[in-house]
Amino acid sequence: GIQVEQSPPDLILQEGANSTLRCNFSDSVNNLQWFHQNPWGQLINLFYIPSGTKQNGRLSATTVATERYSLLYISSSQTTDSGVYFCAGLNSGGSNYKLTFGKGTLLTVNP
Amino acid sequence: DSGVTQTPKHLITATGQRVTLRCSPRSGDLSVYWYQQSLDQGLQFLIQYYNGEERAKGNILERFSAQQFPDLHSELNLSSLELGDSALYFCASSVGLSGGYEQYFGPGTRLTVT
Repeated sequence: GIQVEQSPPDLILQEGANSTLRCNFSDSVNNLQWFHQNPWGQLINLFYIPSGTKQNGRLSATTVATERYSLLYISSSQTTDSGVYFCAGLNSGGSNYKLTFGKGTLLTVNP
Repeated sequence: DSGVTQTPKHLITATGQRVTLRCSPRSGDLSVYWYQQSLDQGLQFLIQYYNGEERAKGNILERFSAQQFPDLHSELNLSSLELGDSALYFCASSVGLSGGYEQYFGPGTRLTVT
């Protein structure tokens, strides 16, 4: 299966700052998703983005499939953005439809 | 709210016991996936069902089993529980079988084995 690496592992910001989280994957993907896990443990879908660029409010994501990486941008961060951000990829060669998750980026936004 | 429901939210049980976790997928979704999140292993895929049939298996222990019923809800059965089975168990669903569909995750069931 594919390998997914996320960086940085930890990030501390002041409210209002911008940040970029990176996800590298070892093989081509049919599916690339970003999630936010809040302090209560819920996994919130942020983006489904196997390629291209998407925006949702203060969040945007870009996946460059040919170079096997994806970026998540958070602008004007708020304390409610704190939590763990996961990237997960899937390569369905061989009928393997599981998402492989990275280890996550722990984001702390201080007021 | 992803539309995927899981019950119960929390479960505390003793070693050696058996528990059943339940998942209802989003309306219209035929695929159900189970994932386990533990401190040492991170988020790992356990098993996938599509329209009632098992389609893929991951790192699922022999003590664990799952099924998907005709109404498409799924159950994950964990037996002979050990302390190391304590984890957050997620169910996810997608509309199709292949990998090119977004997976939506439920709120999870937090299992504590004492």
